[in-house]
Amino acid sequence: SQQGEEDPQALSIQEGENATMNCSYKTSINNLQWYRQNSGRGLVHLILIRSNEREKHSGRLRVTLDTSKKSSSLLITASRAADTASYFCATVDPYSGGGADGLTFGKGTHLIIQP
Amino acid sequence: NAGVTQTPKFRVLKTGQSMTLLCAQDMNHEYMYWYRQDPGMGLRLIHYSVGEGTTAKGEVPDGYNVSRLKKQNFLLGLESAAPSQTSVYFCASSRGLGRELFFGEGSRLTVL
Repeated sequence: SQQGEEDPQALSIQEGENATMNCSYKTSINNLQWYRQNSGRGLVHLILIRSNEREKHSGRLRVTLDTSKKSSSLLITASRAADTASYFCATVDPYSGGGADGLTFGKGTHLIIQP
Repeated sequence: NAGVTQTPKFRVLKTGQSMTLLCAQDMNHEYMYWYRQDPGMGLRLIHYSVGEGTTAKGEVPDGYNVSRLKKQNFLLGLESAAPSQTSVYFCASSRGLGRELFFGEGSRLTVL
């Protein structure tokens, strides 16, 4: 079943602006991860934030996690054309009753950076 | 360092035909996964393996079988392909549960 849900589904901004996308999830988590997928390619891991962390940075990426609201946000600062991609959040439910040990992914936010 | 390699990259099947997708990883990862990606559905887990010789069902396992005879390889089989199995299939591997996933480039399958 879908765990994470990204918002918005699509986002178009001008190069140089900041892009913010959000992820909401349903159950408790151990960690939350963000991935990027360029058109026609596989997913690439961007950043992992643990359930006891509130904020994490990696280059132009800033991720926040609010476990009380079951939500996370990904901020990309000073966007570039190369940031055009789909972005997915993914979680592992430590109490998954279905037995699946894999990450469950949201449907993604499609980000377009206009030059 | 190749990472995760999937073959074939593209395949067209007729309904009822069988085929096998091969995933190979050279990172000595214990965990391997097969996902399918469909428009508007995100990625859904088909089967996974936590080590050589082990496999387990994911969210959407029906119509698929898998084998992990060698640690570096994870095979996904379709015994009797159906149009509903038209999708892009991704293999991934990781060091363990909840760890970063490394993905292959995908295998695009069309079932006519």
